[in-house]
Amino acid sequence: DQQVKQNSPSLSVQEGRISILNCDYTNSMFDYFLWYKKYPAEGPTFLISISSIKDKNEDGRFTVFLNKSAKHLSLHIVPSQPGDSAVYFCAASPIIQGAQKLVFGQGTRLTINP
Amino acid sequence: GAGVSQSPSNKVTEKGKDVELRCDPISGHTALYWYRQRLGQGLEFLIYFQGNSAPDKSGLPSDRFSAERTGESVSTLTIQRTQQEDSAVYLCASSPDGYNEQFFGPGTRLTVL
Repeated sequence: DQQVKQNSPSLSVQEGRISILNCDYTNSMFDYFLWYKKYPAEGPTFLISISSIKDKNEDGRFTVFLNKSAKHLSLHIVPSQPGDSAVYFCAASPIIQGAQKLVFGQGTRLTINP
Repeated sequence: GAGVSQSPSNKVTEKGKDVELRCDPISGHTALYWYRQRLGQGLEFLIYFQGNSAPDKSGLPSDRFSAERTGESVSTLTIQRTQQEDSAVYLCASSPDGYNEQFFGPGTRLTVL
């Protein structure tokens, strides 16, 4: 049972344009969401997060949108740069006392074309 | 400062052998996690340590898998009698307190022949 789904295994975007990565979840107990970026042969690195009390969080070129009613979140990167080419994972967690077990999606490979 | 380190970076073993994977978390981080990523899949939670509390082992796929942590320091993940389906990248992460972002190590790529 895949509780966090990234239905697009890959995405190709031209440099300078907007990249939109999507993520859907099924567990209504999830109330904290994160995006991680992963380069080959490296561990994932934290990019941006959002809690369920917000519907948008922005950090520089990266913005995460959360639609709780649709159980959907998206990551917008604008403008896209060649260094953004990586695999992006969304993750979700129910914030329960003393733990933050993350459930990850399968990842989307983003390629930025010059 | 130093990040999360893992060793070895690559491990090739024969089916049926035992393997030990090591994780050194960021100093001062009380929470430590192990994940597994199979080819083409997302990260799969295995086990979680938080301070002196009993570990959350709910993600371990079978009793061939076990993990230990020495205080708030190094952790080892042991897989006994390895099977081909254990082939994956095993990732370790640590967190300052178990509530905030997790910092990942580079992973150990395990190949079981």
